[in-house]
Amino acid sequence: DIVMTQSPDFLAVSLGERATINCKSSQTVLSISNNKNFLAWYQQKLGQSPKLLILWASTRQSGVPDRFSGSGSGTDFNLTITGLQAEDVALYFCQQYYGRPPTFGGGTKVELK
Amino acid sequence: QVQLVESGGGLVKPGGSLRLSCAASGFTFSDAYMNWIRQAPGKGPEFLGFISPSGTLYYADSVQGRLTISRDNAKNSLYLQMSSLRAEDTAVYYCARGQWVFDSWGQGTLVAVSS
Repeated sequence: DIVMTQSPDFLAVSLGERATINCKSSQTVLSISNNKNFLAWYQQKLGQSPKLLILWASTRQSGVPDRFSGSGSGTDFNLTITGLQAEDVALYFCQQYYGRPPTFGGGTKVELK
Repeated sequence: QVQLVESGGGLVKPGGSLRLSCAASGFTFSDAYMNWIRQAPGKGPEFLGFISPSGTLYYADSVQGRLTISRDNAKNSLYLQMSSLRAEDTAVYYCARGQWVFDSWGQGTLVAVSS
């Protein structure tokens, strides 16, 4: 299975500041056939189920604010929240869907400083 | 809007069995890939398996042989039959829609395996 490793485990950010979460995969998740990275990001607020934010490493899901952006390729990816809002306090997970089975990272908790 | 509602969780003894259900609404259920995903306390989610619109099944190796996924398109429902449960199966179990990427999740149902 492809292992997804996120860092840091916890991130404290002031309102309006930038939060950057890193996700590394144990194998590439970049498809040569279509040049797409099979990488998604989810947000999970306290007591709620995960919500899909980004797929294909950088494509925002419909309705997701543009302060959320994804970047990276191959084995190294970032989720950036530009201008953190109070409602962004949550757990964030990356997930690869290139290998079988799909696997998730351990999560990064974003809190307010 | 899309709604997924799980039920059937609870406390079960090691070695026991449980059947979870997921009621779907707000989309054409019969056209959707449907998945079961679980999340143990303090951990990232773990994909368990899916059933395709045509009934094709896929299971993660970690649960192969102990879990059975099924669907009833007439009832817009998804099921997970679990057997030989162990303490490490304790988790919140979610149903989710999508093929490899999961765009809608239910609220989850807690399964606790303990004597």
